[in-house]
Amino acid sequence: SQQGEEDPQALSIQEGENATMNCSYKTSINNLQWYRQNSGRGLVHLILIRSNEREKHSGRLRVTLDTSKKSSSLLITASRAADTASYFCATAGGYGNKLVFGAGTILRVKS
Amino acid sequence: DTEVTQTPKHLVMGMTNKKSLKCEQHMGHRAMYWYKQKAKKPPELMFVYSYEKLSINESVPSRFSPECPNSSLLNLHLHALQPEDSALYLCASSRTAVRESNSPLHFGNGTRLTVT
Repeated sequence: SQQGEEDPQALSIQEGENATMNCSYKTSINNLQWYRQNSGRGLVHLILIRSNEREKHSGRLRVTLDTSKKSSSLLITASRAADTASYFCATAGGYGNKLVFGAGTILRVKS
Repeated sequence: DTEVTQTPKHLVMGMTNKKSLKCEQHMGHRAMYWYKQKAKKPPELMFVYSYEKLSINESVPSRFSPECPNSSLLNLHLHALQPEDSALYLCASSRTAVRESNSPLHFGNGTRLTVT
């Protein structure tokens, strides 16, 4: 069964705007990861945040983690058409030796 | 481009066929995974190999049979599949198993399987 729920399910924005995606999960975790998937391709790892971290940055990406609320958010700043993809959060630790993915957010960036 | 290579990219097979999906990585990773992904859904874990031993089988039907011949290779043998098994099959690897470290997964681009 899926660990996380993400919202929104779909997001459409203009190039240059910021995009925020949220992820909630149910069990305790060791870390939470975000992945991007372009249509018909494999997933690409974006960023990993450990359970004892609250915020992490990588280029135009900013991830926050609130373990008390069991939630995380991914912010993409100054979005580009090339950011158009599906974004998944995934959690490790709550279900043992595996990574469990949330339902995903489909992001469309219009140029 | 990905460092995890999956072949073939596309596969069409009948319900009585036997075929195999192959996955290869040369990053020295010691954990390898098979995921199944249906359209517009997240990947669902099927199998995990850690140090070439099967460590997780997510109650996958026996018509799917994984094999890890060595630390760089992972196969998925398919036999007597059903049309509902049509999906994108993704292979992934990580430096060590998920429980042991905070290492991300590296995915291949998948095999698009159609069962007729």
